[in-house]
Amino acid sequence: DAGVIQSPRHEVTEMGQEVTLRCKPISGHNSLFWYRQTMMRGLELLIYFNNNVPIDDSGMPEDRFSAKMPNASFSTLKIQPSEPRDSAVYFCASSPRTGGGGNTGELFFGEGSRLTVL
Amino acid sequence: AQSVTQPDIHITVSEGASLELRCNYSYGATPYLFWYVQSPGQGLQLLLKYFSGDTLVQGIKGFEAEFKRSQSSFNLRKPSVHWSDAAEYFCAVGARGAGNMLTFGGGTRLMVKP
Repeated sequence: DAGVIQSPRHEVTEMGQEVTLRCKPISGHNSLFWYRQTMMRGLELLIYFNNNVPIDDSGMPEDRFSAKMPNASFSTLKIQPSEPRDSAVYFCASSPRTGGGGNTGELFFGEGSRLTVL
Repeated sequence: AQSVTQPDIHITVSEGASLELRCNYSYGATPYLFWYVQSPGQGLQLLLKYFSGDTLVQGIKGFEAEFKRSQSSFNLRKPSVHWSDAAEYFCAVGARGAGNMLTFGGGTRLMVKP
């Protein structure tokens, strides 16, 4: 079965350029999360979608960051303009909900997109 | 808001030795608790989770964890470590009723000596 698919796996860009990271969640999952991982700050939740609707974006660092989920099978995280401090590994994760709408707790992570901003 | 502390940034154990990774959480009620493992260049994979009931939970790859409410802890254990267990381990807490939003600890990097 296909897991969460992220692209690109690696991106090197120059400061000021626009960066778009892509995610395809597992089919049937209705929650999607974007995390950022750095040595200094660890894993940080950026934004969380449920049924394609953003539920909590309080972790999005600044207006330079935006995320969309136009349909159940695709999400993007955009950084415009990018800065060197945005260098990190960005993970997308998806999660199913139980039939009763409860919290399954299990996030299925993609392999991440490693972003380097020079 | 909930938080998670993993006091040990690095741990080195010999292959075949027992392992305990520490996790302390802060949350006002009974939380959901998780351990995830991350191999180099990979995403995170769920090892085990605690929702309710038996405070000793079993996971994949021979791992177990014990929820101790009085100590606000959820330590991960394995009786005999294998070289393939070398990875980074993350403890996470989820708030009941908050969907699947998890707060992760800073991680513990496990190295295994032959």
